[in-house]
Amino acid sequence: KNEVEQSPQNLTAQEGEFITINCSYSVGISALHWLQQHPGGGIVSLFMLSSGKKKHGRLIATINIQEKHSSLHITASHPRDSAVYICAVRINAGGTSYGKLTFGQGTILTVHP
Amino acid sequence: GAGVSQTPSNKVTEKGKYVELRCDPISGHTALYWYRQSLGQGPEFLIYFQGTGAADDSGLPNDRFFAVRPEGSVSTLKIQRTERGDSAVYLCASSPSINSEQFFGPGTRLTVL
Repeated sequence: KNEVEQSPQNLTAQEGEFITINCSYSVGISALHWLQQHPGGGIVSLFMLSSGKKKHGRLIATINIQEKHSSLHITASHPRDSAVYICAVRINAGGTSYGKLTFGQGTILTVHP
Repeated sequence: GAGVSQTPSNKVTEKGKYVELRCDPISGHTALYWYRQSLGQGPEFLIYFQGTGAADDSGLPNDRFFAVRPEGSVSTLKIQRTERGDSAVYLCASSPSINSEQFFGPGTRLTVL
């Protein structure tokens, strides 16, 4: 079982819909990252969070440390939001925070006009 | 300012050859990470540097892989006796410190024929 699991693996939406992508993890963490990757493109960091909620434009990320779960929401989705969204965690084991990221498999989002 | 850059953007080589992949991090970033992403998968950790030293190389798959960062800025990932299974996108990221947001380069697509 992967330490970081995302769902769904694939998501198709119509323009304007509200979108939710989920991430669950099974290890102690010091931070969770949401990343965006366009086809053939590099990875862009959307959020880094360790508690609560963050908002940037139409994107909202939440995390529940007790439940080891995070969600990425996109409001009023647009075709340009079509990309792969990746959840990644920085593991904290025994009080030691490791710099490397452990990634989920990614969620492929397609938003149709 | 300039982001993380990687060269070459694409590299095609023959099985058994030696390759070097270069990463130029954001100026002043002390932490530098190498990840590998196979088609349809999330990235996987290879190695990370804090300054000039490799702080964690636990993700290197075998002794054909080696990375250096001699002056604490530019890093080179070296792969000896390449195999077809080494084909992937090699991603580099840098951050101001190991607990900060990571900034990713565009990646080098390596194809081993």
